[in-house]
Amino acid sequence: DTAVSQTPKYLVTQMGNDKSIKCEQNLGHDTMYWYKQDSKKFLKIMFSYNNKELIINETVPNRFSPKSPDKAHLNLHINSLELGDSAVYFCASRAPERRTGELFFGEGSRLTVL
Amino acid sequence: EDKVVQSPLSLVVHEGDTVTLNCSYEVTNFRSLLWYKQEKKAPTFLFMLTSSGIEKKSGRLSSILDKKELFSILNITATQTGDSAVYLCAVGSGGYQKVTFGTGTKLQVIP
Repeated sequence: DTAVSQTPKYLVTQMGNDKSIKCEQNLGHDTMYWYKQDSKKFLKIMFSYNNKELIINETVPNRFSPKSPDKAHLNLHINSLELGDSAVYFCASRAPERRTGELFFGEGSRLTVL
Repeated sequence: EDKVVQSPLSLVVHEGDTVTLNCSYEVTNFRSLLWYKQEKKAPTFLFMLTSSGIEKKSGRLSSILDKKELFSILNITATQTGDSAVYLCAVGSGGYQKVTFGTGTKLQVIP
């Protein structure tokens, strides 16, 4: 049973299109994240939600809009895709720091914009 | 702006060598430091450290945190080819569980 699952795993699309990536966790965690990983493996935080509420928004363009319908789901919608959006997007949820504080990652969604 | 810097950026060693990976940070309201290993897919958790001077160990891997000097090291002894990966350091900070990752160290272990 996958703890954090993302769909789709691969996405190839044209510039200007709109696309969504979905994420679900079954760990019961309150906090979820979206990270963008570039070709040099740098993981940059984009957003964080705590119990459906947006708590971190790291100067990401308005074309990116996260949505959390409940604390187990965090989706990412991207409008007007650009070449520079090509990357691997990771969803993660975090165990409370009083326990392990571990971030559990999904397998990643590789987005290629042509 | 929170900053996490790792060194070296990449490293090639022979099997059996011992390596030390470095992580320094500048963040507001430090809460925790985490180490991850990333091979082909998602990062996998290694350690979380919150207190200075207490070494965490797991097999051939160990890590220690210095909150005064704002750095952590990850040691890997008797390296094996299966240790080849990108090692990521991350810092938890602030009141909202922000987790900022470093640039990563790419380790290659050759037979």
